[in-house]
Amino acid sequence: RKEVEQDPGPFNVPEGATVAFNCTYSNSASQSFFWYRQDCRKEPKLLMSVYSSGNEDGRFTAQLNRASQYISLLIRDSKLSDSATYLCVVNRDDKIIFGKGTRLHILP
Amino acid sequence: DTGVSQDPRHKITKRGQNVTFRCDPISEHNRLYWYRQTLGQGPEFLTYFQNEAQLEKSRLLSDRFSAERPKGSFSTLEIQRTEQGDSAMYLCASSFPPNTEAFFGQGTRLTVV
Repeated sequence: RKEVEQDPGPFNVPEGATVAFNCTYSNSASQSFFWYRQDCRKEPKLLMSVYSSGNEDGRFTAQLNRASQYISLLIRDSKLSDSATYLCVVNRDDKIIFGKGTRLHILP
Repeated sequence: DTGVSQDPRHKITKRGQNVTFRCDPISEHNRLYWYRQTLGQGPEFLTYFQNEAQLEKSRLLSDRFSAERPKGSFSTLEIQRTEQGDSAMYLCASSFPPNTEAFFGQGTRLTVV
């Protein structure tokens, strides 16, 4: 079993819709959590950190559930520019581990 | 530009040749990571350093792969006797202090022909 698991998608979503991704991690010793965005043939870039209390950055909301060991990302009012791969990332003892990513296509 | 830089950006090599990639992390970052990414997959962990010490090496890394970070600054990743299956994007990232996010370079795309 992979340490970080995501639904690979693709998610095909009309512009303006709300879309949510989940990610699960297997190691309860994981200490910090992030969502990264990766555009085609580009390097991953940090989208946002994820905290137990939940955090919001504009149209993006991230949530961590330590008891169930899952992380979520919600995108509201999706834009065409949101089309990308979203990578769930876990930091465990300073080893940074990525999920395979979830592909999102926003449809005009 | 004070971000993570990688060199070269692209490398085409013949099967059996050796290749070496370089990564220059953000200057104050003491942790440096190497990942490999193939199409449709997330970055796969290869190895990481804290300063000059190599802390962990993935089982993905065969004996043909070696990484160094001799002075705790830049790092090199060498692949000996390249095989077609080595074709991938090799990503370097750095971070500081513990449990913070990693910042990536633009990667080195290796094609073995």
